[in-house]
Amino acid sequence: EIVLTQSPGTLSLSPGERATLSCRASQSISINYLAWYQQKPGQAPRLLIYGASSKATGIPDRFSGSGSGTDFTLTISRLEPEDFAVYYCQQYGSSSLTFGGGTKVEIK
Amino acid sequence: QVQLQESGPGLVKPSETLSLTCTVSGYSISSGYYWGWIRQPPGKGLEWIGSIFHSGSTSYNPSLKSRVTISIDTSKNQFSLRLHSVTAADTAVYYCARVYTGMSVDYWGQGTLVTVSS
Repeated sequence: EIVLTQSPGTLSLSPGERATLSCRASQSISINYLAWYQQKPGQAPRLLIYGASSKATGIPDRFSGSGSGTDFTLTISRLEPEDFAVYYCQQYGSSSLTFGGGTKVEIK
Repeated sequence: QVQLQESGPGLVKPSETLSLTCTVSGYSISSGYYWGWIRQPPGKGLEWIGSIFHSGSTSYNPSLKSRVTISIDTSKNQFSLRLHSVTAADTAVYYCARVYTGMSVDYWGQGTLVTVSS
């Protein structure tokens, strides 16, 4: 099973700042099968990025995804108040989906 | 607009079977895509349980495979989860979802909390 490790666990930033979230896989994965989600308290996750860098419908341009192999990054160029949430990466490989442990982006 | 809604008991006794159904509206599940179940214990991260294709083929999380059955009823536009021999560790919010391009999840149900307790 491929393990995804997200870092940092918590990111304390101010609105307007840039957020860089990391997702590292225990083995190389296809970029086609790497996704990012945002989850706010009491809500289901929302798909942000699929295929490592493709934005889902309705996702603002300030969100971008990059990476390949074992290292992937979600960047939020300028944090808006509504962006403070928990973010998860997810991969598909060997007929199995796994999620990372999440990064919480909190207001500094 | 695709919508998914979970239904089923919110309380299950230890050693019994957890049963949930997901009703899909706005899309015919027989048209394609995988449909899946994901859970989230209180205060913790997300765990994929398993998925089913519209044809009925399934894939399960290896750690749960021995206890999980996912089925599909295209006539009712529903798919279902059965998790056998539950323990307190199975207490979680259970989400049903559509598995999209690249095996990402684009539509989620609102989630339903299932508590395992006597």
